[in-house]
Amino acid sequence: EPEVTQTPSHQVTQMGQEVILRCVPISNHLYFYWYRQILGQKVEFLVSFYNNEISEKSEIFDDQFSVERPDGSNFTLKIRSTKLEDSAMYFCASSQLRTPGYTFGSGTRLTVV
Amino acid sequence: QQPVQSPQAVILREGEDAVINCSSSKALYSVHWYRQKHGEAPVFLMILLKGGEQKGHEKISASFNEKKQQSSLYLTASQLSYSGTYFCGTVMQGAQKLVFGQGTRLTINP
Repeated sequence: EPEVTQTPSHQVTQMGQEVILRCVPISNHLYFYWYRQILGQKVEFLVSFYNNEISEKSEIFDDQFSVERPDGSNFTLKIRSTKLEDSAMYFCASSQLRTPGYTFGSGTRLTVV
Repeated sequence: QQPVQSPQAVILREGEDAVINCSSSKALYSVHWYRQKHGEAPVFLMILLKGGEQKGHEKISASFNEKKQQSSLYLTASQLSYSGTYFCGTVMQGAQKLVFGQGTRLTINP
């Protein structure tokens, strides 16, 4: 069964550093998403991406965040200057249809120290 | 607008049934149900698109009452493997993003 692949599985970074989280969505999917989950809390929407541009973003997704699809397969989330409160699990998801059952990746655990 | 789930937590013995509810104050286009085990990604269970729609997935089924903007997830004859946190996610009419509820923690004891 096709999977959404995320790397790395765990990243530790110092406060103020830039991090890039990587995702390889399912190949024939057209919509891509990033979500985050602070430990023990709900899954929060960050951003959706379609046709090489952001289609929707949440209030969490401020100027410190950016997304890119640099080639035909990767989808990245960049946090420019990490803060302690950015520590969370970050999930990438992709879908075929506009309102699908999303397929989530296994997540990247980001720890900011 | 975040959907509201109830109850927040359920503890069952193996073989018992459970119902998890999800409600929204806004008109919904679809309701999605996920189960998440500790430390893992959410796993898609099912999506309901039409008012009154019901779906089943083994002994797990769900209904969607479009008029009331409510969905319920039914777990019958629960198994130990059903333990985890269940999230409903909703997409409002005219929107794209999936917004998750706060989750319902289900514990199944032998």
